[in-house]
Amino acid sequence: ETGVTQTPRHLVMGMTNKKSLKCEQHLGHNAMYWYKQSAKKPLELMFVYNFKEQTENNSVPSRFSPECPNSSHLFLHLHTLQPEDSALYLCASSPLGGSSYNEQFFGPGTRLTVL
Amino acid sequence: EDKVVQSPLSLVVHEGDTVTLNCSYEVTNFRSLLWYKQEKKAPTFLFMLTSSGIEKKSGRLSSILDKKELSSILNITATQTGDSAIYLCAVPRRTGANNLFFGTGTRLTVIP
Repeated sequence: ETGVTQTPRHLVMGMTNKKSLKCEQHLGHNAMYWYKQSAKKPLELMFVYNFKEQTENNSVPSRFSPECPNSSHLFLHLHTLQPEDSALYLCASSPLGGSSYNEQFFGPGTRLTVL
Repeated sequence: EDKVVQSPLSLVVHEGDTVTLNCSYEVTNFRSLLWYKQEKKAPTFLFMLTSSGIEKKSGRLSSILDKKELSSILNITATQTGDSAIYLCAVPRRTGANNLFFGTGTRLTVIP
């Protein structure tokens, strides 16, 4: 098990529901990420937070709303989702700084099904 | 637009076989290329490649980058059932070294 945890591990929700995904990292990192992995599609970066500030939003629909209250916690608030939003949502964290890549550590993901 | 293409999409081999997985990329301002292994859900980091022609090695896995051909290969020798996984290739986007753009992955199945 890595130092990045995600809850819940599985979630089934209707299109009118509101739910939240939670990610917590115990690695002392300052950057956190949300990714979406749909069947037969590449892993897609959704949001990036550096020192609690959002630095990247890859054209994600507003029905996905991230929140980063501190460097250890990251949330993804979901509302009025569509069935095509069903996917594995992965959280990751990494050290921050420099112009070169810092290894990202991934959580186990939340398998989301939208009915 | 950034692009990462992996081939083959899937591969089934027998234990003991050697496999080569391919990754080609098009990205503005290339910095590095990453390989990840995804067994169940959480991808785990394998290699980071920045220089052409220098092989990175970890046990039975090795990888090399060819900047001229805009590609990389990942080799696995003497495959074991535990190597069964999706192997992901990624490059950082122009917007930041940690903002990764992934390929679709190669699903490797090693049968006894």
